[in-house]
Amino acid sequence: KAGVTQTPRYLIKTRGQQVTLSCSPISGHRSVSWYQQTPGQGLQFLFEYFSETQRNKGNFPGRFSGRQFSNSRSEMNVSTLELGDSALYLCASSPPLEGNEQYFGPGTRLTVT
Amino acid sequence: QKEVEQDPGPLSVPEGAIVSLNCTYSNSAFQYFMWYRQYSRKGPELLMYTYSSGNKEDGRFTAQVDKSSKYISLFIRDSQPSDSATYLCAMSARAPGNTGKLIFGQGTTLQVKP
Repeated sequence: KAGVTQTPRYLIKTRGQQVTLSCSPISGHRSVSWYQQTPGQGLQFLFEYFSETQRNKGNFPGRFSGRQFSNSRSEMNVSTLELGDSALYLCASSPPLEGNEQYFGPGTRLTVT
Repeated sequence: QKEVEQDPGPLSVPEGAIVSLNCTYSNSAFQYFMWYRQYSRKGPELLMYTYSSGNKEDGRFTAQVDKSSKYISLFIRDSQPSDSATYLCAMSARAPGNTGKLIFGQGTTLQVKP
């Protein structure tokens, strides 16, 4: 089975711009979670989507949003970028059983200048 | 206080040593426990997954969960230089309200020297 894929792998944006990141989960996985990873804060949960619905959300400002499509692919959007948004953004998918074991993609490294 | 505490290290051991990595947590609702390995500039890779208390073994890796002490461990036997990476513990509570959300430790950087 192919793993979780994320595009693009690297992005450089300037403050005030917006960005969209994409994630394709493992085939058969319907839950997709997004995380932000920084050296100072570690891995922090952004939100989770299941069957095109956001089921859970972390403590991030409204500038961070996401959506999921009928084929379980997901996108996250960050508007009005700030320098502090520079991070590795990770997407993870879960198999259709409760347990929350998650399989991560390689991440998108976003640099905001 | 963080929900999950993990010593960031770095931890340096000689090749062939037994490595012990640990995390403590404060939320008694956590039921699912995972260990991930992350190489530099890569995404985390799931190594071990455990539900509730007990031990689980997979090759050179053994995961232990002690819910009474709120303490989890990962043991690596016969460590190899290729095991050099950051190891992250992660845990979650049962749904509802906790779907898709893992709480991570800060990660322990491990270096295995040849």
